Amino acid sequence: ETGVTQSPTHLIKTRGQQVTLRCSSQSGHNTVSWYQQALGQGPQFIFQYYREEENGRGNFPPRFSGLQFPNYSSELNVNALELDDSALYLCASSPGSGGHYEQYFGPGTRLTVT
Amino acid sequence: AQSVTQLGSHVSVSEGALVLLRCNYSSSVPPYLFWYVQYPNQGLQLLLKYTSAATLVKGINGFEAEFKKSETSFHLTKPSAHMSDAAEYFCAVRVYNNNDMRFGAGTRLTVKP
Repeated sequence: ETGVTQSPTHLIKTRGQQVTLRCSSQSGHNTVSWYQQALGQGPQFIFQYYREEENGRGNFPPRFSGLQFPNYSSELNVNALELDDSALYLCASSPGSGGHYEQYFGPGTRLTVT
Repeated sequence: AQSVTQLGSHVSVSEGALVLLRCNYSSSVPPYLFWYVQYPNQGLQLLLKYTSAATLVKGINGFEAEFKKSETSFHLTKPSAHMSDAAEYFCAVRVYNNNDMRFGAGTRLTVKP
């Protein structure tokens, strides 16, 4: 069984640019959540996708957007990058959207904005 | 909204000693509670979860946690620390109808030989 994978592993962008991060969910999982983890902090919930629809959003501006595809893989897009967007971006998949489901995390994408 | 507080950003124990990592939660409805471990440059791995069944939850690698509603706590313990336990540990809370999982700031565990 393949776990959650993310690409790319590392990324360096310039302030003002746009970035797309990708996530492949674990087999059989229809829900993907995205988190931002700044250095030395716990992950912060960005949003969740369930069966291709956004299903909950944290306190992040609209320049953070996402997609989920029919195979349940997902993308996180960030427009107009700011220095504070530098962080580890984690994707997690789960077999459902309810709060009791455990989430399986990928290794993350380290984004550096200069 | 729900939240968690992890007491102690850094805990240091000797190999073979008891590990105790503290987590207190705040939630207006019954919570689901989780402990995750993160090794350097890796994602998060689930250690254990509480979903309103038994209050004493056993997880992987010898870890366990006890849900205490009266104390709003969900502390993580392990009787005997191993060098491989050195990592960052996160406590997290969710509620049934809210997909926003809230994490604590994390506790870095160091294990001394």
